[in-house]
Amino acid sequence: RKEVEQDPGPFNVPEGATVAFNCTYSNSASQSFFWYRQDCRKEPKLLMSVYSSGNEDGRFTAQLNRASQYISLLIRDSKLSDSATYLCVVIPVRGSGAGSYQLTFGKGTKLSVIP
Amino acid sequence: NAGVTQTPKFQVLKTGQSMTLQCAQDMNHNSMYWYRQDPGMGLRLIYYSASEGTTDKGEVPNGYNVSRLNKREFSLRLESAAPSQTSVYFCASRERGGLEEQFFGPGTRLTVL
Repeated sequence: RKEVEQDPGPFNVPEGATVAFNCTYSNSASQSFFWYRQDCRKEPKLLMSVYSSGNEDGRFTAQLNRASQYISLLIRDSKLSDSATYLCVVIPVRGSGAGSYQLTFGKGTKLSVIP
Repeated sequence: NAGVTQTPKFQVLKTGQSMTLQCAQDMNHNSMYWYRQDPGMGLRLIYYSASEGTTDKGEVPNGYNVSRLNKREFSLRLESAAPSQTSVYFCASRERGGLEEQFFGPGTRLTVL
C-alpha cells in the first residue's frame, strides 16, 4: 500500500457545487496533515493544515479520521478559481525528529470547475 | 521579500552533461528541500537539509548531489544527466519540522535529450 493515496480524478463539477476529496495514509503513527493546492504549471502552495478536531476556512473544510486513516477536504460553493490539483500531504512520524522534516505527498486530485 | 527563488527556470541538456540548479530563500528558514515532479508520480523528495551543515537523502537521490552552501542557499547538481532526469524540479524551505508550512520555489523545467 502506498504511503499516501488520492483519487486522481479529474473531478468536473459545475460552479456552485460541493465537492469532497479523500486521502488515505498508511502509517498510523503519522502526526501532521495538510492540503496543498497546485495550479497548472505552478508551484504547490499551502491551502490548509488539518487538525484533529477538523477545521474550516471559509468555503473549505478539512477533517481527519485517525481510526480509518484518512483525511478529507470539502469545498462548498465551488468557484472557477478553485480549479487546480489538490495535494494531500502527510508527515509520517511523530515529534520533531529528523523524520518530521520529510513531507510525503499524494499524487493529487485534479478539480475542474465548469461554468 | 522574494520567498524561494530558483535558477534557471528552463534548461535543456544533452545526455552526459552536468549542471547545477540553484535555490535561495530569504525567510531565514532552517530546512530546505529538493523535489522532482513527474506526470503521474507526484512530488518525490530527492534530498533535504534539516539545518545548515546537514544533508540527507530522500526517496530518489540516485544521480544527484546537493550542497547546503549556507543557511540561504541549497543547490542540486546533476553530474551526468540522463533522459530519466527530465522533470520539473522544485526547491522548498520550511522553518523547521512539525506543523510548519513549506514554501516552494517556482520550479525548474529540465529536459535531457
